[in-house]
Amino acid sequence: RKEVEQDPGPFNVPEGATVAFNCTYSNSASQSFFWYRQDCRKEPKLLMSVYSSGNEDGRFTAQLNRASQYISLLIRDSKLSDSATYLCAVNRMNTGFQKLVFGTGTRLLVSP
Amino acid sequence: DAGVIQSPRHEVTEMGQEVTLRCKPISGHDYLFWYRQTMMRGLELLIYFNNNVPIDDSGMPEDRFSAKMPNASFSTLKIQPSEPRDSAVYFCASSLKQNYGYTFGSGTRLTVV
Repeated sequence: RKEVEQDPGPFNVPEGATVAFNCTYSNSASQSFFWYRQDCRKEPKLLMSVYSSGNEDGRFTAQLNRASQYISLLIRDSKLSDSATYLCAVNRMNTGFQKLVFGTGTRLLVSP
Repeated sequence: DAGVIQSPRHEVTEMGQEVTLRCKPISGHDYLFWYRQTMMRGLELLIYFNNNVPIDDSGMPEDRFSAKMPNASFSTLKIQPSEPRDSAVYFCASSLKQNYGYTFGSGTRLTVV
């Protein structure tokens, strides 16, 4: 089983739709979680951190479910510009240091 | 802030040649990471540094890969000799602290023919 797993998609949605992605992780000791956005042929960019209580940034909402070991990203009122690949990242503790392990990403296509 | 700066943006080289990728992290960031991204395997961590010291190089594929960080503002990733299977996008990222999100550079797209 991969340490961090995502549905590769693509998720095809019309403008204005609400779409949600999940990301499962296998290490129950993980403490930090993030969502990144990556446009084609560009670098990943931090979209938002995921806090235990959940957090919201405009149209984007991130949640953490520790019991089931997954994080989610909800996008409301999708825009054409939201088309991208969304990567989740989970920290891994190793010999006292932490490092981020990334999922392979979920591709989102928003159409007019 | 200029962000994380990588060079070159693109590199095409012949099998067997030495390749050197360069990275300048964000000033003040104590952590520097080298990742490789391919369609098949996604983003893989190769090595990371804390205060210029290599902490974990378990992701380095084999002895052909080496990385250095001679000072807080510069790091290199070297492949010698290069092979076609090394073709990928190599990203450098830096972070202020361990639990913070990383800032990525624009990457180096390496093609080994």
